[in-house]
Amino acid sequence: DAGITQSPRYKITETGRQVTLMCHQTWSHSYMFWYRQDLGHGLRLIYYSAAADITDKGEVSDGYVVSRSKTENFPLTLESATRSQTSVYFCASGLLTDTQYFGPGTRLTVL
Amino acid sequence: GQQVMQIPQYQHVQEGEDFTTYCNSSTTLSNIQWYKQRPGGHPVFLIQLVKSGEVKKQKRLTFQFGEAKKNSSLHITATQTTDVGTYFCAGPNFGNEKLTFGTGTRLTIIP
Repeated sequence: DAGITQSPRYKITETGRQVTLMCHQTWSHSYMFWYRQDLGHGLRLIYYSAAADITDKGEVSDGYVVSRSKTENFPLTLESATRSQTSVYFCASGLLTDTQYFGPGTRLTVL
Repeated sequence: GQQVMQIPQYQHVQEGEDFTTYCNSSTTLSNIQWYKQRPGGHPVFLIQLVKSGEVKKQKRLTFQFGEAKKNSSLHITATQTTDVGTYFCAGPNFGNEKLTFGTGTRLTIIP
C-alpha cells in the first residue's frame, strides 16, 4: 500500500530549466493538491485538482503548470525555474477537502 | 482573503510541561483541522473539529473549536520528546474546496 508518493525526493537544477515534479496516489482520491513550504510562510497552495482534467490555481501559481489526465497522477511543472522557487514541495490528496494526506515531499534547489 | 494565524510561532518547553497553541481565522470556518509535521517530515492529519464549542481528546492532546467557529486550540499535557514538531491548523475557505493553513507553531522539547 504505497499511498501517496513523490519523485524525485531531491532535485538540483539551474535557473531557466524546466523541471517536473511527480505525484502519484493509489487511493483514487478525487482531490489532489500541490503546496510549497518555505521558512516563515508555512504551507502555501500552488494548484489543486478536484478530478481528472479539472484544475484550479492556488495563491502562488505563477511560474507553475499542472495537468491531471489520470486520477492517480498530478505532475507539477516549473516552466523556467527561478531561484525563488527553491523550496520543499508537498503533494497531497483526499476524498474531500476536509482531510488531506501528504506525500513525503520533494526538496528542490534552483541554482 | 482568508487568513489563519497561529501563536506562538515557536515554543520551547521542558519535558513534562504542558503546551498550547492557538489558531485564529479571519473568517468563520465550517471545520478546523490540525496537522503535525515532524522535523524533516511531511504534515500528518491529526483531527477535524466541526461543531461550535467542540472538544476532542487524543490521549494527551486536547483540541477545541471556538463557539464562534473562528478560533481553535491544541493543548498537550505533560509533553514528551515524541511531541516535537510543528503543529498546523487549517480551515477550508468558502466553498470548502481549498484549505488555508495556519502559520504553524514549532514545538521544541528540552529533555
